[in-house]
Amino acid sequence: AQTVTQSQPEMSVQEAETVTLSCTYDTSESDYYLFWYKQPPSRQMILVIRQEAYKQQNATENRFSVNFQKAAKSFSLKISDSQLGDAAMYFCAYRSARGSQGNLIFGKGTKLSVKP
Amino acid sequence: KAGVTQTPRYLIKTRGQQVTLSCSPISGHRSVSWYQQTPGQGLQFLFEYFSETQRNKGNFPGRFSGRQFSNSRSEMNVSTLELGDSALYLCASRRDRDPSYEQYFGPGTRLTVT
Repeated sequence: AQTVTQSQPEMSVQEAETVTLSCTYDTSESDYYLFWYKQPPSRQMILVIRQEAYKQQNATENRFSVNFQKAAKSFSLKISDSQLGDAAMYFCAYRSARGSQGNLIFGKGTKLSVKP
Repeated sequence: KAGVTQTPRYLIKTRGQQVTLSCSPISGHRSVSWYQQTPGQGLQFLFEYFSETQRNKGNFPGRFSGRQFSNSRSEMNVSTLELGDSALYLCASRRDRDPSYEQYFGPGTRLTVT
């Protein structure tokens, strides 16, 4: 069974600085998707960024980028120029590329605080 | 386009009772998944429905059930509630079951069992 591990329960960053959230996963599959979701205090889960395992290029979405290391099964999220609105719980998630296993497997989350 | 909606947003029930939660997916989305979120266990997959059929199920007891209607709206039911069922229940929809399609989450239903 696949597992996702986020080793940092809480992180803090100064506004305008850069922070990296860690995520490792375990799978025997070669094709899969990885995601970072953000859950602000309002609780609406929002997709931040996604990565297809077959793509070597790291995904980037504006201030958010990932460092995908397939061999090491590592998928970290870098937030540049942190803003107060980035404060939230961040969840790393895995999804198999097999159509019958469409559910997301989540890590425990990292609570990010942004200091003004 | 309206997002995923869940009703009710908050619910308080007593042990032993049953509860039904509702989820309306984004228009055009045919797949609906349910997740339970608790501080201790985190986010856990409950089940997925597609075209009115349960396609995938997580490791939860039979007290947790669901269904999907022809308009893709989904309900989940928890019978004989236990204190441990207190959680945020999230619904997520996506256009199709192809894993490349994104899942969009609703705001959740906060269930408190007393």
